[in-house]
Amino acid sequence: QITLKESGPTLVKPTQTLTLTCTFSGFSLSTGGVGVGWIRQPPGKALEWLALIYWNDDKRYSPSLKTRLTITKVTSKNQVVLTMTNLGPVDTSTYFCAHLRHPFDVWSAYDYWGQGTLVTVSS
Amino acid sequence: QSVLTQPPSVSGAPGQRVTISCTGSSSNIGSGYDVHWYQQVPGTAPKLLIYGSTNRPSGVPDRFSGSKSGTSASLAITGLQAEDEADYYCQSYDNSLSASDFVLFGGGTKLTVL
Repeated sequence: QITLKESGPTLVKPTQTLTLTCTFSGFSLSTGGVGVGWIRQPPGKALEWLALIYWNDDKRYSPSLKTRLTITKVTSKNQVVLTMTNLGPVDTSTYFCAHLRHPFDVWSAYDYWGQGTLVTVSS
Repeated sequence: QSVLTQPPSVSGAPGQRVTISCTGSSSNIGSGYDVHWYQQVPGTAPKLLIYGSTNRPSGVPDRFSGSKSGTSASLAITGLQAEDEADYYCQSYDNSLSASDFVLFGGGTKLTVL
């Protein structure tokens, strides 16, 4: 059974850096084709895709946020980490991590999602 | 950045059929990329409803179906039930930026069961 869970700070000050961790079970990022993505959702608004990392450390980013995002993996701990720099109030969102359904396909659906973690950016 | 356009809201009575559209462009749906659909009850994580434009994951009732044509896709829900009241999102992929392709979500549609 695949599960994912996000963790990190709930409150971050403007201009600070956010680090979120996705801890998962039921699959391994050492398996060929496996990918884990991050998606966020501002309160009352739509989903926004942020980044994706593959088993082979290939990474993809949202073009609009690429300069501020870094996605990494700690395979031995079954974790994926997302870092976002220079936060502003518009970054206040629930951040989700999710498992890529089809191996290798960056355009694949996400079939398992974490519960999400709400991050508020405020001084 | 490219967009996937969904109607902000749709509604229907129990037992009725509703459809939710997702309109893209030649750089995403029109390029042949699959469309996926998610259901999200407010306060919870999205749930995958349809993948690969027309396929249902196991456990999703056959009341939910997806289709795709040209630069658009649709989600149809038949035999509407109160529990279907939720937000629905489409997802596809876009290659409009030469330096990098990206995943795209629609703006979401709120389904109200009357």
